[in-house]
Amino acid sequence: EDQVTQSPEALRLQEGESSSLNCSYTVSGLRGLFWYRQDPGKGPEFLFTLYSAGEEKEKERLKATLTKKESFLHITAPKPEDSATYLCAVQAPGSSYKLIFGSGTRLLVRP
Amino acid sequence: SAVISQKPSRDICQRGTSLTIQCQVDSQVTMMFWYRQQPGQSLTLIATANQGSEATYESGFVIDKFPISRPNLTFSTLTVSNMSPEDSSIYLCSVGTDVNQPQHFGDGTRLSIL
Repeated sequence: EDQVTQSPEALRLQEGESSSLNCSYTVSGLRGLFWYRQDPGKGPEFLFTLYSAGEEKEKERLKATLTKKESFLHITAPKPEDSATYLCAVQAPGSSYKLIFGSGTRLLVRP
Repeated sequence: SAVISQKPSRDICQRGTSLTIQCQVDSQVTMMFWYRQQPGQSLTLIATANQGSEATYESGFVIDKFPISRPNLTFSTLTVSNMSPEDSSIYLCSVGTDVNQPQHFGDGTRLSIL
């Protein structure tokens, strides 16, 4: 069964304290792995797409990497405005274009 | 990316009633989807809204409970029928333009059932 597991569930960082969020997946034939950010009361906001092992994408303080079994979202020198829930999703093979989401990591960055 | 508007943004409903949620996109899109996000949980796909044909439902979701319409390439509705407190959730619309491309989400409808 296709599955996405994110860890940790929650993460508290001090401003400037770098860390990484993990997304491990089991899917038969990955078509794409997506990272989203979700703020309270909002829908998920797209951050990155990764398609193949070894691929990396970067945006401001965020960097996403992909291996054959997991993806990492690295946050460098985070700021309080980076506080949000970060969601990982995979697109399974087939014609449904379905996204399978992990349960997310709630990040709190304290000033 | 497309601008996605959902209405209503929130509602409080009585048990046994039905509510229709609208999703409007500012440009034509190939794919539209409906997700549910239960309190403290992640997103679960309810169905894919197909333009001009019946929606494709995921396991555990049925048309009688969640009828969906998609009359054109910019609009879809999801109805939550005969509601019970277990239906209290956030319902999100998303759109996609092509396979392997990211889906983009509306801000959701926060539904509480009394």
